[in-house]
Amino acid sequence: AQKITQTQPGMFVQEKEAVTLDCTYDTSDPSYGLFWYKQPSSGEMIFLIYQGSYDQQNATEGRYSLNFQKARKSANLVISASQLGDSAMYFCAMRGWLQGAQKLVFGQGTRLTINP
Amino acid sequence: NAGVTQTPKFQVLKTGQSMTLQCAQDMNHNSMYWYRQDPGMGLRLIYYSASEGTTDKGEVPNGYNVSRLNKREFSLRLESAAPSQTSVYFCASSVVGAGETQYFGPGTRLLVL
Repeated sequence: AQKITQTQPGMFVQEKEAVTLDCTYDTSDPSYGLFWYKQPSSGEMIFLIYQGSYDQQNATEGRYSLNFQKARKSANLVISASQLGDSAMYFCAMRGWLQGAQKLVFGQGTRLTINP
Repeated sequence: NAGVTQTPKFQVLKTGQSMTLQCAQDMNHNSMYWYRQDPGMGLRLIYYSASEGTTDKGEVPNGYNVSRLNKREFSLRLESAAPSQTSVYFCASSVVGAGETQYFGPGTRLLVL
């Protein structure tokens, strides 16, 4: 079975600082993908970044980067130069395959608060 | 290009009532999904449809049924609502293939009294 663990229920960071949100995973599938989603207070789920299990390079998307350490089974999200608008819930998710369709397994999330 | 749309945005039901949540996507995606999100938790998969004409159970299917009406539309039905089904429901869609992302609708908040 696949499992995602996010051990930080909440984090508080000063504006403009970098922040790392932790995510560890467990799977026996050799092929998998890892995603990060942002959920602001308005409730929608916003895709941020993706890392495939065979990707050699760590994924980056603007201020977001994914620190992928396969041996340690971790996929931490790094947000550089945090902004007030980054305050939200952040979910790590793992993609597996379920009878021809993707299945996403989500962690419990980390609530990030950016202080001015 | 609206992406994934869901209706209604908010609904209050009494125990035992039925309702259908609607979802549509205009991205020509093959696969569609229904998730629920309970307070303080991540999303859990209720049902999914790998392609038009197929549907399968996810992690928490009890009390729900689905219909993949066509490639664009995937509905979720609660036949006899229970307070335990109070949740936020998200629909998502994706193209099958390595690395493809699931894109989510805005969610439906359901309160069952």
